[in-house]
Amino acid sequence: GEDVEQSLFLSVREGDSSVINCTYTDSSSTYLYWYKQEPGAGLQLLTYIFSNMDMKQDQRLTVLLNKKDKHLSLRIADTQTGDSAIYFCAENRNSNYQLIWGAGTKLIIKP
Amino acid sequence: GAGVSQSPSNKVTEKGKDVELRCDPISGHTALYWYRQSLGQGLEFLIYFQGNSAPDKSGLPSDRFSAERTGGSVSTLTIQRTQQEDSAVYLCASSGLAYEQYFGPGTRLTVT
Repeated sequence: GEDVEQSLFLSVREGDSSVINCTYTDSSSTYLYWYKQEPGAGLQLLTYIFSNMDMKQDQRLTVLLNKKDKHLSLRIADTQTGDSAIYFCAENRNSNYQLIWGAGTKLIIKP
Repeated sequence: GAGVSQSPSNKVTEKGKDVELRCDPISGHTALYWYRQSLGQGLEFLIYFQGNSAPDKSGLPSDRFSAERTGGSVSTLTIQRTQQEDSAVYLCASSGLAYEQYFGPGTRLTVT
């Protein structure tokens, strides 16, 4: 199986909060990242968190890191139609330049 | 500052032809990556350059694929004798200080 796992789809109603989850297996993670990919576009770095942090907030985005359970989440408050995209989590291990990527979660917004 | 740029944005080629895809990383970034993304799929790692070290070519799917990076900056990905299964979006990225990768807009390759 993959070293970084995500659900393939998440459906939320416009205005609600979206929580996208990611699990990883390696305890040597240094940084963890969230990327957004809109249709026909490249990947956009949303935010990243250093492994000695538990939480990071940036406007509508909140990242939570549970190192014990090796669980990373991205919460998007007040989800809008412009948030429709695929969200990828990625992991950096041992300060290696290569990242380990999840398969992406497609966020679907219902009116 | 300028982000990662890629050219061309779209390329249509006939099966059997060679193609070259270009990537200009963010100035000062020493690490550069190529990925491939097929329709509706995740990222497939192809090759990685770091400074003056030998590139990590472990993701190249066949010997028809090659890449070079001149002067530690611009990179070219070359696909020889293209096949229909090579059709995909080819993404380039370069790394910052927290190993975060910044992506270009991609080149959509269609092999007919």
